[in-house]
Amino acid sequence: GQQLNQSPQSMFIQEGEDVSMNCTSSSIFNTWLWYKQDPGEGPVLLIALYKAGELTSNGRLTAQFGITRKDSFLNISASIPSDVGIYFCAGQLGNNDMRFGAGTRLTVKP
Amino acid sequence: GAVVSQHPSWVICKSGTSVKIECRSLDFQATTMFWYRQFPKQSLMLMATSNEGSKATYEQGVEKDKFLINHASLTLSTLTVTSAHPEDSSFYICSARETSSYNEQFFGPGTRLTVL
Repeated sequence: GQQLNQSPQSMFIQEGEDVSMNCTSSSIFNTWLWYKQDPGEGPVLLIALYKAGELTSNGRLTAQFGITRKDSFLNISASIPSDVGIYFCAGQLGNNDMRFGAGTRLTVKP
Repeated sequence: GAVVSQHPSWVICKSGTSVKIECRSLDFQATTMFWYRQFPKQSLMLMATSNEGSKATYEQGVEKDKFLINHASLTLSTLTVTSAHPEDSSFYICSARETSSYNEQFFGPGTRLTVL
């Protein structure tokens, strides 16, 4: 099946700094999604990308669907303490086939 | 927005017993629901896809006789872990896709299962 490589595995940053994480795949996807998961909770959708090359923002978050359809990145600008959590990328080819990256654990120091 | 609930939120059971987890879409109809398992500090792994009124489709390596899935209505899917063992202890998360939606899945809050 499709493998997603998400990096970095973890990040420790100072409040106010920008954050960048990405996912790559050996296979193409039709949809890329970025989720955030807090401890003991289910993932919450942050941004969904449906077209190659698409660049979408949601507040301080910006994500792009790579031209090759094999990668995506998520940027968080001016991080705040509540940005702490685990961020997952997910690629979807068909309706029923969503694969998740291993996650990026973000720690923000006040 | 679309809300998905899970019940219970956590459960502790003895080895050998069966545990049922419910997944409900509260304000929308979900033709398809998905069940994931997440071990500590790991990603979500799809276990099975559940379609209303038909048999679930299981991912490779997931035993269908151990993880029984029933999707009897457009708002409810259940996962029963039969004869649970300590290695089944995990965080189980469901998601639901709205019937009219092309791609987006809405996730439940998860159920923490601990088997003693």
